[in-house]
Amino acid sequence: DAGITQSPRHKVTETGTPVTLRCHQTENHRYMYWYRQDPGHGLRLIHYSYGVKDTDKGEVSDGYSVSRSKTEDFLLTLESATSSQTSVYFCAISEGGRGRPNYGYTFGSGTRLTVV
Amino acid sequence: GNSVTQMEGPVTLSEEAFLTINCTYTATGYPSLFWYVQYPGEGLQLLLKATKADDKGSNKGFEATYRKETTSFHLEKGSVQVSDSAVYFCALSEKGFQKLVFGTGTRLLVSP
Repeated sequence: DAGITQSPRHKVTETGTPVTLRCHQTENHRYMYWYRQDPGHGLRLIHYSYGVKDTDKGEVSDGYSVSRSKTEDFLLTLESATSSQTSVYFCAISEGGRGRPNYGYTFGSGTRLTVV
Repeated sequence: GNSVTQMEGPVTLSEEAFLTINCTYTATGYPSLFWYVQYPGEGLQLLLKATKADDKGSNKGFEATYRKETTSFHLEKGSVQVSDSAVYFCALSEKGFQKLVFGTGTRLLVSP
């Protein structure tokens, strides 16, 4: 009954390979986000979505793409993984909409990605 | 642009000590402010929030007051427990927008 799940939880991949991380929600929230967490940087926004097929870039979007073909799924793809993309990736969801209050996010448990 | 600045960690305390973790922000207008907590190996959980000046958010013995005049939202707890050991993140969002901007986090270590 987690409401938001990420898969896989851990992944090791080689430099230059494509990688896709999945975020799945059962809350029917409109907004979904992908963040990466690195020591000394806190959480940085990669991409976010405000509806099916509606996505936008965050502050560290280079080398990443996203897709949202259904309300419940938000996919993050590393097109050609590099060692600098070794990180912990978090998905988050929020209800509300533009002009409405921000009630805060619900986070997934994270995906630890290692690029070797 | 919007930003959040938190005190450097780790903060190391003995059980039952008083806790303050400082957070200041820069934003246009009057943002909503949040504290999140992250326990080892887990995602972030919303701890408390405040949406306007002078609001006090509280939860599980933690409190923070939205101070517009000092652009601050410091986290406090009167008596910490070992189970409070975690990383604490301050965050803001502009009114009417859903994106959150996070601070770098402050690690709290509480010893028995």
